[in-house]
Amino acid sequence: DAKTTQPPSMDCAEGRAANLPCNHSTISGNEYVYWYRQIHSQGPQYIIHGLKNNETNEMASLIITEDRKSSTLILPHATLRDTAVYYCIVRVDNYGQNFVFGPGTRLSVLP
Amino acid sequence: EAGVVQSPRYKIIEKKQPVAFWCNPISGHNTLYWYLQNLGQGPELLIRYENEEAVDDSQLPKDRFSAERLKGVDSTLKIQPAELGDSAVYLCASSLIGNTEAFFGQGTRLTVV
Repeated sequence: DAKTTQPPSMDCAEGRAANLPCNHSTISGNEYVYWYRQIHSQGPQYIIHGLKNNETNEMASLIITEDRKSSTLILPHATLRDTAVYYCIVRVDNYGQNFVFGPGTRLSVLP
Repeated sequence: EAGVVQSPRYKIIEKKQPVAFWCNPISGHNTLYWYLQNLGQGPELLIRYENEEAVDDSQLPKDRFSAERLKGVDSTLKIQPAELGDSAVYLCASSLIGNTEAFFGQGTRLTVV
């Protein structure tokens, strides 16, 4: 079973920041937080991951709370092409660990 | 660099018929995953290979599903016989062993009628 809880859907206005929350209250000390997204009719696409510190790349920022029980993925300037299902996954970065997907959050970016 | 390639992209078959899906991972990627995705749900792992060895097939319904990864490169997933409930998207992904990021193909959408 997925170890994360996400809202089933969210809306965001085009050009505004999209903040997608994820709860992972049972996360272990060696588990990373990963975010993937899946645009309609495509396979999931890696976005970002982190352990403790906040992370930023060209796609998004990841904010992890100090107790690591929740995190937020931030798309700073959402576009219509960001409409997708966003998955939050916790995973140990070791040999033999799978990616376990939950139902994710369906983000709709509105014009 | 080519990504994960899957074929066919779509497949429609009658129930009780066999079907096979093919996956070519990213060159050099040791780990290969097959996932099943039902409509409105997240992907579910069927099997994971490390090179040519199936290291996690606990979720693979072995009565009708089989997979192989000869020579540790490309892989085939087979269903025989197919049932109506097998209608879904079958996704293949690959990564370097122990690596952080898995790359997914576009998937094969199977419809069993």
